[in-house]
Amino acid sequence: QSVLTQPPSVSAAPGQKVTISCSGSSSNIGNNFVSWYQQLPGTAPKLLIYDNYERPSGIPDRFSGSKSGTSATLGITGLQTGDEADYYCGTWDTSLSAGVFGGGTKLTVL
Amino acid sequence: EVQLVESGGGVVQPGGSLRLSCAVSGFTFRSFWMSWVRQAPGKGLEWVANIDQDGNKKYFVDSVKGRFTISRDNAKNSLYLQMSSLRPEDTAVYYCGRGSGTSVDNWGQGTLVTVSS
Repeated sequence: QSVLTQPPSVSAAPGQKVTISCSGSSSNIGNNFVSWYQQLPGTAPKLLIYDNYERPSGIPDRFSGSKSGTSATLGITGLQTGDEADYYCGTWDTSLSAGVFGGGTKLTVL
Repeated sequence: EVQLVESGGGVVQPGGSLRLSCAVSGFTFRSFWMSWVRQAPGKGLEWVANIDQDGNKKYFVDSVKGRFTISRDNAKNSLYLQMSSLRPEDTAVYYCGRGSGTSVDNWGQGTLVTVSS
């Protein structure tokens, strides 16, 4: 049972938009920055979003992040088959004094 | 180019010990928090531990407290994870990453640790 809650799977057609939610509490998302990671099959995770909505250099603006209260959302527009991957949210939990991840969401581009 | 290369994984019996290393290059190692994150086969990511720039602040997930230690050698641009009293549930790919628990912006390729008799 992960501290952060994500839907196990989402799907959408190529070219469409999808959102992935990440729900937490005041001890984690509510008072700390959220990051999002993409993990393609058989590879290491890759940082997509940091500090709730910032994109590292090289990450296309099709990827966006937002946060409201104790929840965060990753948005992906213009879906491509290459976006099929597992997506994880992550943050710090002040009460646990530990990093925490969501359980991951598998994106299928139909 | 930022590079992180883990080593030291392998097969170990329950109760055994293993030391993972992460050699980094391409950035000023001593200026960054560093983390270890693991992923059990077919499962999600689990944050394991992190360490501050000087090695003075260290944090661990509850399940490894008292069994794992994290350290770094800034002169050698290297991060370490000493694992002892290993359990089957510690079986995972272990990644080292640049950054703290809030954001890991560069990751190694991972090293597989298998705890089995």
